[in-house]
Amino acid sequence: EVQLMQSGGGLVQPGRSLRLSCTTSGFTFEDYAMSWFRQAPGKGLEWVGLIRSKPYGETKEYAASVRGRFLISRDDSKSIAYLQMNTLKTEDTGVYYCTRDGYYDSNGYPTFWADVWGQGTMVTVSS
Amino acid sequence: EIVLTQSPGTLSLSPGERATLSCRASQTVNSNFLGWFQQRPGQPPRFLIYGASSRAPGIPDRFRGSGSGTDFTLTITSLEPEDFAVYYCQHYISSRLTFGGGTKVEI
Repeated sequence: EVQLMQSGGGLVQPGRSLRLSCTTSGFTFEDYAMSWFRQAPGKGLEWVGLIRSKPYGETKEYAASVRGRFLISRDDSKSIAYLQMNTLKTEDTGVYYCTRDGYYDSNGYPTFWADVWGQGTMVTVSS
Repeated sequence: EIVLTQSPGTLSLSPGERATLSCRASQTVNSNFLGWFQQRPGQPPRFLIYGASSRAPGIPDRFRGSGSGTDFTLTITSLEPEDFAVYYCQHYISSRLTFGGGTKVEI
């Protein structure tokens, strides 16, 4: 069974840092890109960023709202993805989800979709 | 930047009824990069539809996606109790992902 287990959330003061982990099992982690999403309390979904797999250079992309403050990394030997969050702001408060990005052929187009989600972890940024 | 607008905000229906959810893009999008997700209360989202109309593995055939250009639709042909949830459309291009604001399907 494919599983994504998240850890590392909690309460943190503005300006401080926090690292989230996403420990995976049940699939070949190194073959997949991994993404992070978040959801502010009572609000909709927001994409945070992604890290591609090694064949794609482990390149990373970030939403404008977190670029320069957040860093996504991966450890293929442990099948874990990380989200390092620095210089946190109150507006970063929310539930954070990690996802596996599965490959789907859509009319000959290679497309990648968040097909498996972690359970989510709450991050509260408050003084 | 592409903006996705979902309507209605809330849809009040009964089990067995048909639900029709709309997602409108601010400019023409490639339908191959348009998808739908379901989120039940207190749960992570669930991947439903990709490429505007292809069901993800394990998704029942009562969920049907359609549309092209700027207008996309998710239809649930006969609502089951577990289908009462919030539904989000999503688009991605050049590694930028955007979501619509969501439609809540309630009893």
